Amino acid sequence: EAQVTQNPRYLITVTGKKLTVTCSQNMNHEYMSWYRQDPGLGLRQIYYSMNVEVTDKGDVPEGYKVSRKEKRNFPLILESPSPNQTSLYFCASNNLAGMEQFFGPGTRLTVL
Amino acid sequence: QQQVKQSPQSLIVQKGGIPIINCAYENTAFDYFPWYQQFPGKGPALLIAIRPDVSEKKEGRFTISFNKSAKQFSLHIMDSQPGDSATYFCAASYGNKLVFGAGTILRVKS
Repeated sequence: EAQVTQNPRYLITVTGKKLTVTCSQNMNHEYMSWYRQDPGLGLRQIYYSMNVEVTDKGDVPEGYKVSRKEKRNFPLILESPSPNQTSLYFCASNNLAGMEQFFGPGTRLTVL
Repeated sequence: QQQVKQSPQSLIVQKGGIPIINCAYENTAFDYFPWYQQFPGKGPALLIAIRPDVSEKKEGRFTISFNKSAKQFSLHIMDSQPGDSATYFCAASYGNKLVFGAGTILRVKS
């Protein structure tokens, strides 16, 4: 089944404790992105990647890091999480720039 | 700043009604305008999309109307059903940059 998977689905952590949210896609897509969803703000792009080792900032990159060492994986790293990063995070992938993005099931992160 | 403005925030219609969700954008570089549907606990999924060289696109009960000069586009859901109850996001993109509206929570009453 073609899909985007994220882990963990739920995470509660404390301020300053480094964490990684993993994302993997099995559709051989070139492009992958990370978004955060907050009430009243919709989804905002954090980072995106056009290919292995090629990444670029989205609209809200502060406090986040990404890496793309393999085509199928695109982890999101929070080096020092803060409470304002409490949010619902989605990973997405697409084959062609500007075309349909396929979203993962989401990761709900709470930073205390 | 919200590059794509979406209204209303929420909408309640009776079964069979025609909910309309409106979006407006500023950046004329946008060249792809998708609508995503999201059910509780799920990721968004593409519903329908349009390019700016087309004024209307219909897929089943869903229609996008696009007004390039006004920089506005809207989603109409014909003969709405309780199963259409979800959050709807308009979006606009250029390259791989995708900007979403704030979302509309739609409830269709049976």
